[in-house]
Amino acid sequence: EAQVTQNPRYLITVTGKKLTVTCSQNMNHEYMSWYRQDPGLGLRQIYYSMNVEVTDKGDVPEGYKVSRKEKRNFPLILESPSPNQTSLYFCASSMRGQQPQHFGDGTRLSIL
Amino acid sequence: DAKTTQPTSMDCAEGRAANLPCNHSTISGNEYVYWYRQIHSQGPQYIIHGLKNNETNEMASLIITEDRKSSTLILPHATLRDTAVYYCIVPLNSGGYQKVTFGTGTKLQVIP
Repeated sequence: EAQVTQNPRYLITVTGKKLTVTCSQNMNHEYMSWYRQDPGLGLRQIYYSMNVEVTDKGDVPEGYKVSRKEKRNFPLILESPSPNQTSLYFCASSMRGQQPQHFGDGTRLSIL
Repeated sequence: DAKTTQPTSMDCAEGRAANLPCNHSTISGNEYVYWYRQIHSQGPQYIIHGLKNNETNEMASLIITEDRKSSTLILPHATLRDTAVYYCIVPLNSGGYQKVTFGTGTKLQVIP
């Protein structure tokens, strides 16, 4: 089954404790992206990757890092999480950066 | 992206057709209109897309006006499972990929 898998689905942690949210897709897609969703603000893009070793900033990259060492994986790293990064996060992938995007089920992060 | 405007919310009786409008008056001639939906806090799910002609698939129909400045997503026989937030987007081709802005969409409530 074609899917984008995110882990963990839920995480409560404390300010400053480094965390990584993993994202994996099994569709051989070149393009992967991370979004955050906050009430009233829609989905905002954090980072995206056009292919292995190619990443770039989206609209809200501050406080986040990503890497793309393999085609299937695109982890999101919060080196020093802060409460304003409490949000619902989605990973997505697509063929060559085109629509439609396939989204994961989301990761709900709470930073205390 | 071409800016899209959607009503904040709509209600529809179960079994009736749900017609969700979207205005995209600044759309360019080669830009597609895409529709996604997000059920509760799951990842957005692609529904349908179109350029000029009306489109239909197993999920919905898309009607695009002749001047392409607006479109309507039609769910012909709405069920309770169609209760979701529906997003109309017009991706912008940027740097080899399609940049999308997900606004706040239309919250459709299907009523028994």
